[in-house]
Amino acid sequence: GENVEQHPSTLSVQEGDSAVIKCTYSDSASNYFPWYKQELGKRPQLIIDIRSNVGEKKDQRIAVTLNKTAKHFSLHITETQPEDSAVYFCAASGESYIPTFGRGTSLIVHP
Amino acid sequence: DTEVTQTPKHLVMGMTNKKSLKCEQHMGHRAMYWYKQKAKKPPELMFVYSYEKLSINESVPSRFSPECPNSSLLNLHLHALQPEDSALYLCASSQDPREAELFFGEGSRLTVL
Repeated sequence: GENVEQHPSTLSVQEGDSAVIKCTYSDSASNYFPWYKQELGKRPQLIIDIRSNVGEKKDQRIAVTLNKTAKHFSLHITETQPEDSAVYFCAASGESYIPTFGRGTSLIVHP
Repeated sequence: DTEVTQTPKHLVMGMTNKKSLKCEQHMGHRAMYWYKQKAKKPPELMFVYSYEKLSINESVPSRFSPECPNSSLLNLHLHALQPEDSALYLCASSQDPREAELFFGEGSRLTVL
């Protein structure tokens, strides 16, 4: 089955800095890569996703890049704000259509 | 309506109690999921219903019993739970079983005493 590795487990940045979270996956058949943000006590919310026919996707301060050859994808957040503080999960899904989640990254943005 | 609604939001139960968690969506989605999530861990898949039929059971203990009465509703019946079952239980839906984009409910926070 699919295996998704996510790094780092904790990321601490100053407000205004950029943050990058990286994930690798094992199944070359995976073709959908969502990123979820989960604030304390809240539901995971889809913030951005990318499919395997695209190398990069951007939505305001958030971007995701995908390298299919290397089987890794990354989340980039620019101009971080305190409200970006949350746990971020990457995921990958392929033939089974069931996403496999990474272990999560706790992002802390200091004002 | 673009939401997945879960009730109750919080539940405290003893090990001998029987209770149920409920999930509802009116987006016309044909796949519904139960996940269990411990603090700061990723959601763990428990069950998947596709077109109201149980399609995946991830070796979940029989003290958890899912039910899908119709295409909009999903229940999780709980009986004889253990303290280690305390967690956030998340319901999710997707438009189709072959669509990987999940819409999560807010979850039911379960505490087993």
